Amino acid sequence: GAVVSQHPSWVICKSGTSVKIECRSLDFQATTMFWYRQFPKQSLMLMATSNEGSKATYEQGVEKDKFLINHASLTLSTLTVTSAHPEDSSFYICSARGDLNSEKLFFGSGTQLSVL
Amino acid sequence: AQKVTQAQTEISVVEKEDVTLDCVYETRDTTYYLFWYKQPPSGELVFLIRRNSFDEQNEISGRYSWNFQKSTSSFNFTITASQVVDSAVYFCALSGVNTGKLIFGQGTTLQVKP
Repeated sequence: GAVVSQHPSWVICKSGTSVKIECRSLDFQATTMFWYRQFPKQSLMLMATSNEGSKATYEQGVEKDKFLINHASLTLSTLTVTSAHPEDSSFYICSARGDLNSEKLFFGSGTQLSVL
Repeated sequence: AQKVTQAQTEISVVEKEDVTLDCVYETRDTTYYLFWYKQPPSGELVFLIRRNSFDEQNEISGRYSWNFQKSTSSFNFTITASQVVDSAVYFCALSGVNTGKLIFGQGTTLQVKP
């Protein structure tokens, strides 16, 4: 089956620093990638939809200037948490979809971000 | 608006018991997809099933079975003869066709005790 690699698996950073999370589709071209956030013991909430070569579409309430998403190629999307604060500590997970008519979604393994 | 409700926050069973996880959804779409995912303590999401709204046939896969009732907007998941390795958080999710966006339920934490 298709594989989506997400890196890093976990990261600890100081408040005020920026953290970049990568999501790569290893054996298929992902025209669309999605970024979700999950707080402890809570559900996954969609943050944004990332389309290759265009600006990301953010869900209501998600700060686009804080969570920068870049999808420069068909195999890579990055989420950068800028000026991270403790309240940004969360589990971030991406998913990728192949062609536009594909309903098959593949999830990365997630990134646990802890901001001190 | 789309919504998925998993009313059971936590379920605890003893090994070999059968357990059913409930999922109720809301959508105005006539065509949609329903999913179940398993999230073990390691955090990754393990895909279990995807069901098209046109297909109301129940499905069985080993110890897992799913009951899709469009009339009651429910998509329940049953684990037969539960095992300790089944302990995890289980999410039910909904998406429209060709959107790829998943709306997740709150999740049900299943604990299977030996």
